[in-house]
Amino acid sequence: DQQVKQNSPSLSVQEGRISILNCDYTNSMFDYFLWYKKYPAEGPTFLISISSIKDKNEDGRFTVFLNKSAKHLSLHIVPSQPGDSAVYFCAASEESNFGNEKLTFGTGTRLTIIP
Amino acid sequence: GAGVSQSPRYKVAKRGQDVALRCDPISGHVSLFWYQQALGQGPEFLTYFQNEAQLDKSGLPSDRFFAERPEGSVSTLKIQRTQQEDSAVYLCASSPYNRDSYYGYTFGSGTRLTVV
Repeated sequence: DQQVKQNSPSLSVQEGRISILNCDYTNSMFDYFLWYKKYPAEGPTFLISISSIKDKNEDGRFTVFLNKSAKHLSLHIVPSQPGDSAVYFCAASEESNFGNEKLTFGTGTRLTIIP
Repeated sequence: GAGVSQSPRYKVAKRGQDVALRCDPISGHVSLFWYQQALGQGPEFLTYFQNEAQLDKSGLPSDRFFAERPEGSVSTLKIQRTQQEDSAVYLCASSPYNRDSYYGYTFGSGTRLTVV
């Protein structure tokens, strides 16, 4: 039972354009969501998070949108840069506990930025 | 150290062999997690420590898996009688328990275990 789903295994975007990565979840108890970025042979790196009390959180080129009624979130990267090429994982937890959360991850989306 | 360090980076084990995977968290980090990432999948939670206390081991797939963190710093994940389905990357992550800020876990680079 995949509680966090990333239905697009891969995505290619032209450099300078917007990249939009999508994530859906089924567990209505999830109320804290995170995006991680992973380069080959490295561990995932935290990118951005959002609490369920918000519908948007922005950090530089990265914005995460949350639609709680649709159980959907998305990560927007504007403008996309070659260094953004990586696998992006969506993750969720049932509460924010200052880094002590057990996370449920999606299967990842491989983003390729075309120069 | 500056980051989470895991050793070995790669481990090939014969089926039935016992293995031990080591994690050195960031100094002072209270929380430590182990995740298992199978090929083409996202990381899956195995277990969680707060200091030396193992507060959640609900993700350990069988009693062949055992984790410890006896002094609240270095942690070891042990897998007994390895099976082919244990082949995966094992990720360790640590986090400060900090009410003033949240920057997510810091993951190590993982140990890739291949059982042949």
